Amino acid sequence: GQNIDQPTEMTATEGAIVQINCTYQTSGFNGLFWYQQHAGEAPTFLSYNVLDGLEEKGRFSSFLSRSKGYSYLLLKELQMKDSASYLCAVRDSNYQLIWGAGTKLIIKP
Amino acid sequence: IAGITQAPTSQILAAGRRMTLRCTQDMRHNAMYWYRQDLGLGLRLIHYSNTAGTTGKGEVPDGYSVSRANTDDFPLTLASAVPSQTSVYFCASSDGIGANVLTFGAGSRLTVL
Repeated sequence: GQNIDQPTEMTATEGAIVQINCTYQTSGFNGLFWYQQHAGEAPTFLSYNVLDGLEEKGRFSSFLSRSKGYSYLLLKELQMKDSASYLCAVRDSNYQLIWGAGTKLIIKP
Repeated sequence: IAGITQAPTSQILAAGRRMTLRCTQDMRHNAMYWYRQDLGLGLRLIHYSNTAGTTGKGEVPDGYSVSRANTDDFPLTLASAVPSQTSVYFCASSDGIGANVLTFGAGSRLTVL
């Protein structure tokens, strides 16, 4: 079966750095996505990786290793507004998105 | 309208009743999707449409139906609601099935009693 694993919850301190991991087992691979979802709101797109390596976008970076079935989202200089759930999703060989359950990130002052 | 509009925002429904969740987008996106989101689970695809006039089944289609009469609208119908359909429903769209960004609506919270 297809599976996306990510930690349920993480806690970090304002101003610090946090890494949210995602491992996947899917039927084929056509890209990995990270979305941010604030409580009670819609998911919004953060990043897309299809080749191995690091993609940097401001305070957020996303890394992919296809051979290991592994990605992480790195958030730097954490702000209170970064408190949200972070969803990892993989697009499989049928171009369907398989979603992880999300990681709830709690930022403390 | 900017993006995707879903209605209603929230609804409490008696089991056995019929319910239609509405979704309208103004981005002229070809592909549209309906997901449900339940605590502890990832988003699960109910139905999708690659282009107006076509629909397809997702991971959890039973008990739901959709139609895509035009590009902008993609309603989701629960013919006879059951308590297990209590969930938050998100409509989304993209420029095509290979597009890298999904745009989501704000969600419809449905409670079936």
